[in-house]
Amino acid sequence: EVQLVESGGGFVQPGGSLRLSCVASGLIFSKYWMSWVRQAPGKGLEWVANIKQDGSEKYYVDSVKGRFTISRDNAKNSLHLQMNSLRVEDTAVYYCAKSYSRDYMDVWGKGTTVTLSS
Amino acid sequence: SYGLTQPPSVSVSPGQTASITCSGDKLGDKSVSWYQQKPGQSPVMVIYQDTKRPSGIPERFSGSNSGNTATLTISGTQAMDEADYYCQAWDISTHYVFGTGTAVTVL
Repeated sequence: EVQLVESGGGFVQPGGSLRLSCVASGLIFSKYWMSWVRQAPGKGLEWVANIKQDGSEKYYVDSVKGRFTISRDNAKNSLHLQMNSLRVEDTAVYYCAKSYSRDYMDVWGKGTTVTLSS
Repeated sequence: SYGLTQPPSVSVSPGQTASITCSGDKLGDKSVSWYQQKPGQSPVMVIYQDTKRPSGIPERFSGSNSGNTATLTISGTQAMDEADYYCQAWDISTHYVFGTGTAVTVL
């Protein structure tokens, strides 16, 4: 069974940093594009970033460009999201998601919560 | 930026058909997926590449995509189908865009 387990969420002040991680099991991690998707409290889903199998291509939603960095370690079956210069509007549940094919996300983790509060 | 619009809510009686639309410019040229999200849970993909159903998803879920509109249809809706549903479009330039979401209520 494929599992994605996120960690690293927490409370942080605006302007602070946080590093999220996602560990995958039950799959050949290096074969798939991976994404981060977030959901603000009571709001809809928003794609944040994704990364190619070998890490050679990375894409971001405009609102996080220059502040967030996605990375992966295929040897450790792990995906990361380094979040800097955090803003109140970054408060959300952050989900890790796998893409069997680049155009959809077929497996999702349970999410980790990031809360910005001044 | 590219946007996808869904109706905020859809109500359906048990056993009836629920149709959820997703509208966007030239959406038919993109690959569309649909996700079901129940309260406090992660999203689950119910349709991918416009019309395909993942293993384990009941046959009552079906999808279509043409022109500017994609549609998720739930035939013979059951109480367990009550959830939020999101469409998602992908192409190589816009990457992933999610719809605004639709709350399906089974009355």
